[in-house]
Amino acid sequence: AQSVTQLGSHVSVSEGALVLLRCNYSSSVPPYLFWYVQYPNQGLQLLLKYTTGATLVKGINGFEAEFKKSETSFHLTKPSAHMSDAAEYFCAVSYTGGGNKLTFGTGTQLKVEL
Amino acid sequence: DTEVTQTPKHLVMGMTNKKSLKCEQHMGHRAMYWYKQKAKKPPELMFVYSYEKLSINESVPSRFSPECPNSSLLNLHLHALQPEDSALYLCASSQEYTRGPNYEQYFGPGTRLTVT
Repeated sequence: AQSVTQLGSHVSVSEGALVLLRCNYSSSVPPYLFWYVQYPNQGLQLLLKYTTGATLVKGINGFEAEFKKSETSFHLTKPSAHMSDAAEYFCAVSYTGGGNKLTFGTGTQLKVEL
Repeated sequence: DTEVTQTPKHLVMGMTNKKSLKCEQHMGHRAMYWYKQKAKKPPELMFVYSYEKLSINESVPSRFSPECPNSSLLNLHLHALQPEDSALYLCASSQEYTRGPNYEQYFGPGTRLTVT
């Protein structure tokens, strides 16, 4: 069975500081990995995804993530936080043979302080 | 156009009411999804339609009844709901489902449902 663990349900950073949101996955087959962002009272928006190929994935809004198979991780980073980055972030996994079904992590609430 | 629209935005209904949620996409996607999301929790998959046929029903109670009239529309009919069914209901679509797993799911803004 596939699963996703997001360490830290709440993360707080200062504006301009590095953002690091952690995601570890468990999968018996090669995973496909996604990061979604959800702003208050809105749906989810895809930030980036890893399918195959390059392990460093760049997404929208200056975010990127690196797939590390040896660490079963897909952490999300952004060099400099902006107030507008405050939102809920979900890591998700899918896999070949599972259709397009996503298994979500429990989410990380990012707070950006002045 | 990469938009998924959902109506209504908010819905308050009594436990004996019948109501429907509507979702629409015009991206030519052949897979459509209903999710339920409680506060501070990730979305939970309820149903998946692939090529207008129900592919996945995640053991959802029969008081929720999905319908896919055509490839652009997805409805969720609600009847005799319970207060614990109050949640944000999200619709999503993707290019494919069965041939997944790497197709991006595009989410609508959701319908905030309150059952009184």
